[in-house]
Amino acid sequence: DAGVTQSPTHLIKTRGQQVTLRCSPKSGHDTVSWYQQALGQGPQFIFQYYEEEERQRGNFPDRFSGHQFPNYSSELNVNALLLGDSALYLCASSLSLLQETQYFGPGTRLLVL
Amino acid sequence: GDSVTQMEGPVTLSEEAFLTINCTYTATGYPSLFWYVQYPGEGLQLLLKATKADDKGSNKGFEATYRKETTSFHLEKGSVQVSDSAVYFCALSDRSQGNLIFGKGTKLSVKP
Repeated sequence: DAGVTQSPTHLIKTRGQQVTLRCSPKSGHDTVSWYQQALGQGPQFIFQYYEEEERQRGNFPDRFSGHQFPNYSSELNVNALLLGDSALYLCASSLSLLQETQYFGPGTRLLVL
Repeated sequence: GDSVTQMEGPVTLSEEAFLTINCTYTATGYPSLFWYVQYPGEGLQLLLKATKADDKGSNKGFEATYRKETTSFHLEKGSVQVSDSAVYFCALSDRSQGNLIFGKGTKLSVKP
């Protein structure tokens, strides 16, 4: 049973560029959440997708956007990258919108130069 | 808003020592509580959870009890191993928002 997978594992971008990160949820899960984890900090909630719609959003600017596909996989897009966007981006999936337990992928480490 | 406070690290222990990592929370409702573990270079793994007051979550020798009266969810293990070296995160679920709120993490190093 495959867990949550994310791609790519590492990424280097320059300021002002745009980036797309990808996530496939755990088998049978239909809800995907994205988190940003800065170095030495706990993860911060970005947004959550269910039924291809953004259901909840944390305190992140509109430069952060996402998408969920019919197969429940998801993308996180970040436009106009800033140095401060350098972080580990974690995707988590849960069995449904009502299920609180979230399972995390290995993350994508983004470095913005 | 809801929040989680964890004891500051790093924590350094010798193998077979007793571990306690303190976690307290602030929440308006009755959240579920979680401990996640992050090994170097990896994502977060769910360690244990508790969904209501007085529940005890346990896994791999780790335990934590949901204490509503003290708003705490302290992580304990009777005898740590070198392989337990990792960063431990306490988290609560914000049921109104559907997301997890994490503490800052506590780094544990276990020496042989």
